[in-house]
Amino acid sequence: NAGVTQTPKFQVLKTGQSMTLQCAQDMNHNSMYWYRQDPGMGLRLIYYSASEGTTDKGEVPNGYNVSRLNKREFSLRLESAAPSQTSVYFCASSEISVARPGPFNEQFFGPGTRLTVL
Amino acid sequence: AQSVTQLGSHVSVSEGALVLLRCNYSSSVPPYLFWYVQYPNQGLQLLLKYTTGATLVKGINGFEAEFKKSETSFHLTKPSAHMSDAAEYFCAVRGAQAGNNRKLIWGLGTSLAVNP
Repeated sequence: NAGVTQTPKFQVLKTGQSMTLQCAQDMNHNSMYWYRQDPGMGLRLIYYSASEGTTDKGEVPNGYNVSRLNKREFSLRLESAAPSQTSVYFCASSEISVARPGPFNEQFFGPGTRLTVL
Repeated sequence: AQSVTQLGSHVSVSEGALVLLRCNYSSSVPPYLFWYVQYPNQGLQLLLKYTTGATLVKGINGFEAEFKKSETSFHLTKPSAHMSDAAEYFCAVRGAQAGNNRKLIWGLGTSLAVNP
């Protein structure tokens, strides 16, 4: 199993350009997440998808859109990139079962995408 | 609101010394607690987790953490630091409210340096 994969690994954009970060997981997990990581600010949740067909805003959704394409894939789109979106972006997935609440919030992370917006 | 506080954004220890990384949380329900490690230029991976049962939890690479309800703490320890332990460590708690119990609430992280 590859786990959680992300593409691309690195990207440089100019202000105003758009791009989509791709994420896929092969663990048959229901929930998927997009985070950004900035120095001194820890991990901040951008959007998440509790299950296929649903998406919800996290702490810092402005300037981003997401698509849960199917159970495996969850993409993050920057419509008009800004220098403030320079960051490392992580995708994660977890198995959440309403019928079995408990220790299933363990999240599995991808290797990250390092994005620079000039 | 729930929160996670990691005391000390940077901790430095000598190789072979005790590692102690502190985490305090607030939660209105019995917490599920996690420690993650992030090595340079990598994603996060789970070190250990507390859900129910035994309050002393053992994880990978010789780390362990003890859940202390009375102190609302979940400190991470390792008896003897190794150079390879140099990394960023994150503490997290499961969201308690119905609207966020699919999410984790994260601390800001502690960067561990190990000196030869």
